[in-house]
Amino acid sequence: QQQVKQSPQSLIVQKGGISIINCAYENTAFDYFPWYQQFPGKGPALLIAIRPDVSEKKEGRFTISFNKSAKQFSLHIMDSQPGDSATYFCAASFGGGSQGNLIFGKGTKLSVKP
Amino acid sequence: GAGVSQSPSNKVTEKGKDVELRCDPISGHTALYWYRQSLGQGLEFLIYFQGNSAPDKSGLPSDRFSAERTGGSVSTLTIQRTQQEDSAVYLCASSLVWDGSYEQYFGPGTRLTVT
Repeated sequence: QQQVKQSPQSLIVQKGGISIINCAYENTAFDYFPWYQQFPGKGPALLIAIRPDVSEKKEGRFTISFNKSAKQFSLHIMDSQPGDSATYFCAASFGGGSQGNLIFGKGTKLSVKP
Repeated sequence: GAGVSQSPSNKVTEKGKDVELRCDPISGHTALYWYRQSLGQGLEFLIYFQGNSAPDKSGLPSDRFSAERTGGSVSTLTIQRTQQEDSAVYLCASSLVWDGSYEQYFGPGTRLTVT
């Protein structure tokens, strides 16, 4: 049972364009939704995260949009740059001390063409 | 400061052999996690440790997998009688506390290849 579904598997965007990655979750008890960025040969690193009490969070060129009723959230990368080329993972967890591990989507490989 | 370190970075082993993978978390982090990353499968939770509490082993795929954490710091993941399907990158992460909303800092991983 896949608790977090991520799409697309891969994405090619032109420099300056908008990259959009979508995730859907099943368990309504999740209350913390981070996005991790991973470069080849490196471990994932936290990019941005959101809790379900807000519908949007923006940090620089990165924005999370959250739709609680639809159980969906998405990552938008504005003005995409070649340096953003990486694999992106959405995740969910039961924050608040009940369980510490993250449940990840299968990842999206983003390529930004110059 | 120093991040999460893992050793070895690469490990090639023959089917049926035992392997040990090591993780050094960030100093002061009480929570430590092991994940497995297989091609096309994302990151799969294996086990986590919080302080001196009993570990959550709910993600371990079989009884060939085990892990320990000594002195609340270094952790070792052991895979006995390795199988080809165990080939993957094994990632360790640590966080300040075990609350799922605290940032988890990942190490670079150990790439395990079972031949």
